[in-house]
Amino acid sequence: AQSVSQHNHHVILSEAASLELGCNYSYGGTVNLFWYVQYPGQHLQLLLKYFSGDPLVKGIKGFEAEFIKSKFSFNLRKPSVQWSDTAEYFCAVMREGSNDYKLSFGAGTTVTVRA
Amino acid sequence: DSGVTQTPKHLITATGQRVTLRCSPRSGDLSVYWYQQSLDQGLQFLIQYYNGEERAKGNILERFSAQQFPDLHSELNLSSLELGDSALYFCASSPSGRGYNEQFFGPGTRLTVL
Repeated sequence: AQSVSQHNHHVILSEAASLELGCNYSYGGTVNLFWYVQYPGQHLQLLLKYFSGDPLVKGIKGFEAEFIKSKFSFNLRKPSVQWSDTAEYFCAVMREGSNDYKLSFGAGTTVTVRA
Repeated sequence: DSGVTQTPKHLITATGQRVTLRCSPRSGDLSVYWYQQSLDQGLQFLIQYYNGEERAKGNILERFSAQQFPDLHSELNLSSLELGDSALYFCASSPSGRGYNEQFFGPGTRLTVL
């Protein structure tokens, strides 16, 4: 079965620090990759997605992610975080070529940014 | 605002009861997905409908069922509720159900089973 692993459960950092959240998946075929963010009390919002092409993907709010196929990884980065980036971040994987398009989510990483 | 609406926002009920959660997808979206978010299981896919037909099933219990109506709204029915069913239930929609389509999530329904 396909699984998605997020390495950090909770990350605490100060404003202006750099952020990197790890994500690995186990499926060997072609995948579509996503990072979603859930701000406190809000619904899931898409930060960025990768389907094909340039493995370095830029998303909203200054986030980017790099797909490294050989490592089955899709790590999320932001060079300088703000207090408003406090949220829970989910990596998600969708199998390409299957008849269903469900998202398999990682367990999530809670990011707390201190002012 | 994603354009996906879910009602009710909160639901408190007792064990053994049955509830119905409702989802209206974004205008024009044909696919509806249901997910359950709980502290111990995380975010898990339950079921997908595409244009009124069931497309895929995930970790959905037999006590749970869903349907998508001709106007494309969807309902998730949860019966014989147990304490462990307490969770946030999200609905998501996408245009055609193809892999490259983004799924847009609704605000969720928080279910508390007492």
